[in-house]
Amino acid sequence: NAGVMQNPRHLVRRRGQEARLRCSPMKGHSHVYWYRQLPEEGLKFMVYLQKENIIDESGMPKERFSAEFPKEGPSILRIQQVVRGDSAAYFCASSPPGTALYEQYFGPGTRLTVT
Amino acid sequence: DAKTTQPPSMDCAEGRAANLPCNHSTISGNEYVYWYRQIHSQGPQYIIHGLKNNETNEMASLIITEDRKSSTLILPHATLRDTAVYYCIVRVTQGAQKLVFGQGTRLTINP
Repeated sequence: NAGVMQNPRHLVRRRGQEARLRCSPMKGHSHVYWYRQLPEEGLKFMVYLQKENIIDESGMPKERFSAEFPKEGPSILRIQQVVRGDSAAYFCASSPPGTALYEQYFGPGTRLTVT
Repeated sequence: DAKTTQPPSMDCAEGRAANLPCNHSTISGNEYVYWYRQIHSQGPQYIIHGLKNNETNEMASLIITEDRKSSTLILPHATLRDTAVYYCIVRVTQGAQKLVFGQGTRLTINP
């Protein structure tokens, strides 16, 4: 059973470009979470999605950031018009459907560098 | 979710037991204690969780005090690969499922 997959692992974008980060949850998992880790800082929750629904986006910046988890395919975190402050590691996690007690399994992360 | 307090760093000799404390004095009755760790640059890894009874799995043991205001994660025979940042998280079981990470404890295992 493959773990959580994220791609690309490293992404370089110039200021003003768009960044698309992909996350494929573990097989059978229908809950996806995105977290961001700025350099030398802790992990911060961004958004929690279930298939075709955003459940909690309380950690998402109000502008330029969006996330989706379509019925088919991976979850996508999109950052429009990137700025240098968006440079960070972005981690995706997934958990099975059902009780909130289930632990979250994390992917290896995508490291975004904005030049 | 209740706030947790952990020492910023700890050292432990290889082969010895590593005991990582966590204070969560404002924990409420429906909140569980979770432990995750993050080995350098990797995604966080789930270790163990518990409510009020002590728990053990293949990775670690979790000891929760009777009043539930603190807990200790025990790595029984630490290896160099256990060097990581360890996060203690108190998590409510209903409603939002997000994990709220603090600063954690940077554990260094020395040869």
